[in-house]
Amino acid sequence: SAVISQKPSRDICQRGTSLTIQCQVDSQVTMMFWYRQQPGQSLTLIATANQGSEATYESGFVIDKFPISRPNLTFSTLTVSNMSPEDSSIYLCSVGGPGLAGHEQFFGPGTRLTVL
Amino acid sequence: GQQLNQSPQSMFIQEGEDVSMNCTSSSIFNTWLWYKQDPGEGPVLLIALYKAGELTSNGRLTAQFGITRKDSFLNISASIPSDVGIYFCAGANAGGTSYGKLTFGQGTILTVHP
Repeated sequence: SAVISQKPSRDICQRGTSLTIQCQVDSQVTMMFWYRQQPGQSLTLIATANQGSEATYESGFVIDKFPISRPNLTFSTLTVSNMSPEDSSIYLCSVGGPGLAGHEQFFGPGTRLTVL
Repeated sequence: GQQLNQSPQSMFIQEGEDVSMNCTSSSIFNTWLWYKQDPGEGPVLLIALYKAGELTSNGRLTAQFGITRKDSFLNISASIPSDVGIYFCAGANAGGTSYGKLTFGQGTILTVHP
């Protein structure tokens, strides 16, 4: 399995500001994903981070609110823009794809975001 | 879109008891995965299932991929306090725009009393 780290691990932000979350993997991976986990809830896929091209967003998530970068096969960032209290969640990156067995995905430790 | 119904939502058991939880779907999945999430951590993969009818064990954990490909269950035998956490099922499909995407169940919160 891959070792995944995220920065920051947690943050408290003011309404209207933006936060960029970093995800670093210790090996090259084909696919990287970003999930949101609202308090007491399950995980919801935000987008697939594609290396060298624009991310693919799921229904209900847009690039202006959650811009994503993936400059290489080991790194991705998710920005939460113009934040509101409703954005308070845990944001998780995961990795998967042909380089890892089947559809198995491995998750980072998450970034716990609180918006005041 | 696809949805997974996971039950029970929560369980309170005594140490040493066996645990069973399951997930059902309105549509077919090619892969079923079971994860455990501890407080403040990301989900950790416990078991992956790839074939209908497959039964796989990982220590005290056993999971099965339903014959209809629309359900899966996870059993934990002889529970211990460190089994406490939230257990999630997840389904995945191969090919097309669904490749690599996971759909998660709502989670089962497990509490183990010593």
